[in-house]
Amino acid sequence: GAVVSQHPSRVICKSGTSVKIECRSLDFQATTMFWYRQFPKQSLMLMATSNEGSKATYEQGVEKDKFLINHASLTLSTLTVTSAHPEDSSFYICSATPVGLNTEAFFGQGTRLTVV
Amino acid sequence: EDKVVQSPLSLVVHEGDTVTLNCSYEVTNFRSLLWYKQEKKAPTFLFMLTSSGIEKKSGRLSSILDKKELFSILNITATQTGDSAIYLCAVSFQGAQKLVFGQGTRLTINP
Repeated sequence: GAVVSQHPSRVICKSGTSVKIECRSLDFQATTMFWYRQFPKQSLMLMATSNEGSKATYEQGVEKDKFLINHASLTLSTLTVTSAHPEDSSFYICSATPVGLNTEAFFGQGTRLTVV
Repeated sequence: EDKVVQSPLSLVVHEGDTVTLNCSYEVTNFRSLLWYKQEKKAPTFLFMLTSSGIEKKSGRLSSILDKKELFSILNITATQTGDSAIYLCAVSFQGAQKLVFGQGTRLTINP
């Protein structure tokens, strides 16, 4: 199956700093990637849709200035959590689907962010 | 607003039991329904269902979709402790690749 690689898998940062998370499709091209957030014992909540070469589309309630998304190529999307606060601590996970195929979404391994 | 609802939210059974997990949905432009298993990190794909009435099977797991009544079930027979996980149901859409997830069912299999 297709592989999506996400890094880092775990990061601890201080309040007020920014953290960048990368999501790469390793063996396919993805014009669209998705970023989800998961709180403990809860389901995945879609944060935003990352579109290659254009602005991301954010879900209602997600601050676009706080969660910066860049999708500069067909295989890479990045999520930057700016001015992180402890309440941003969560599990962030990306997904992608090969262009033109009606297949399941492939997920990265996820990033556990802890803001101290 | 698109909604995906799973039940039960939590389930505890003994090893060897059979369980049925439910997923109902109310969405526009439905394309397919997907089941995932999540243990510690990324969800693992189980099934994708697009047509009504066609059961998909993989070992002790099976799933079926009813597009008239807008629901799907995931069955696990002869459960094992390794089946303990969160089971996620998600819906995909025509013309869009995003997924909307249900709340998940936390399944615990006791020895």
